[in-house]
Amino acid sequence: AQKITQTQPGMFVQEKEAVTLDCTYDTSDPSYGLFWYKQPSSGEMIFLIYQGSYDQQNATEGRYSLNFQKARKSANLVISASQLGDSAMYFCAMREVNNFNKFYFGSGTKLNVKP
Amino acid sequence: NAGVTQTPKFQVLKTGQSMTLQCAQDMNHNSMYWYRQDPGMGLRLIYYSASEGTTDKGEVPNGYNVSRLNKREFSLRLESAAPSQTSVYFCASSPDRRPYNEQFFGPGTRLTVL
Repeated sequence: AQKITQTQPGMFVQEKEAVTLDCTYDTSDPSYGLFWYKQPSSGEMIFLIYQGSYDQQNATEGRYSLNFQKARKSANLVISASQLGDSAMYFCAMREVNNFNKFYFGSGTKLNVKP
Repeated sequence: NAGVTQTPKFQVLKTGQSMTLQCAQDMNHNSMYWYRQDPGMGLRLIYYSASEGTTDKGEVPNGYNVSRLNKREFSLRLESAAPSQTSVYFCASSPDRRPYNEQFFGPGTRLTVL
């Protein structure tokens, strides 16, 4: 079974609007971490935000927030006030504490921000 | 701090040639990883190393070997390159076992096998 599922291969959003990128995960480990990375066309992987399985609050980092719904096993990334520079691939990833050496990545969502 | 560095940035090989991709990190991280990323796809784990002297297979290890030379360096070797190994290769490192430590990535090596 897929550990991380991103069901949106591509998305469009108008500049200055908010957008949600979906991520669902599969684990039986009680302790895990969820991550989002951005990959612009230049190719580097940029860490955006982290959510721990025991965190009570949703993580936020500037314009990025993570909508964490533990019971549904979803960890959606919300980007507020989209900018042209947000156009990129976005990857969701997970690390389990009992299998801590492995990070599992989703297949990614390509976000295009329209002016 | 250079973070995670990879050499070379680009490489073209002929089928059957061998080469080694180099990776080094200066953050004193225990864990290091090699991934490949094919066009339009996510990252697939080739090998990882939890500490100096240990290596383990990931999702797609066939056709590759690795060496954890010391805590800083983790190299990936293609013994006999094949066109199916055309990809972008990323090295990454991570501090320790706690789940909230993210991975830090190198800039990638774009490899083409003709």
